[in-house]
Amino acid sequence: EAGVTQFPSHSVIEKGQTVTLRCDPISGHDNLYWYRRVMGKEIKFLLHFVKESKQDESGMPNNRFLAERTGGTYSTLKVQPAELEDSGVYFCASSQGSSTGANVLTFGAGSRLTVL
Amino acid sequence: KNQVEQSPQSLIILEGKNCTLQCNYTVSPFSNLRWYKQDTGRGPVSLTIMTFSENTKSNGRYTATLDADTKQSSLHITASQLSDSASYICVVSARYSGGSYIPTFGRGTSLIVHP
Repeated sequence: EAGVTQFPSHSVIEKGQTVTLRCDPISGHDNLYWYRRVMGKEIKFLLHFVKESKQDESGMPNNRFLAERTGGTYSTLKVQPAELEDSGVYFCASSQGSSTGANVLTFGAGSRLTVL
Repeated sequence: KNQVEQSPQSLIILEGKNCTLQCNYTVSPFSNLRWYKQDTGRGPVSLTIMTFSENTKSNGRYTATLDADTKQSSLHITASQLSDSASYICVVSARYSGGSYIPTFGRGTSLIVHP
């Protein structure tokens, strides 16, 4: 079974540019989550999709971040325009079934974003 | 403010030895507590999940305990192996009205197992 895949593994862009990160969850997983780890800090929740709907986006830092999951399959996270503080590792995770809060999450390897 | 504190920050042990990692939290209302293992360059992998009513759960050489009264958890690793070298992250989720579960991550304990 393929795991959660993320692309790109590493992206280096200049401040003000746009970057789009992609996450392919495990096939059949309705729940898809985005998290972020900024250097030296803990991983933080960004948002949660159930199929194509945003269940919770309370962790999104500001309106420069846009997440989509059209068709309820893969998801994209766009940062536009990128700022220096957006640098970090962006993790995607997925789980199957209705979220009970105790579902097993499978994480991707993460997309490292470096903003210069 | 919901917080998850882990200790120690880093730990070095010899192969074959046991170790215990600690997690204290102030997350409320509590839903569940998870321990993850994260190898360098990889995403976190779930080791255990415990809800309020569970006070111990094992997964091979990993045993997690939960004391919901004192809001503490521990992860005990028995007979450590070189492959146990990784970051161990404690994650506590709160459940809010509307059915959302918001996780709070600890910063992790970096474990190095030496031969």
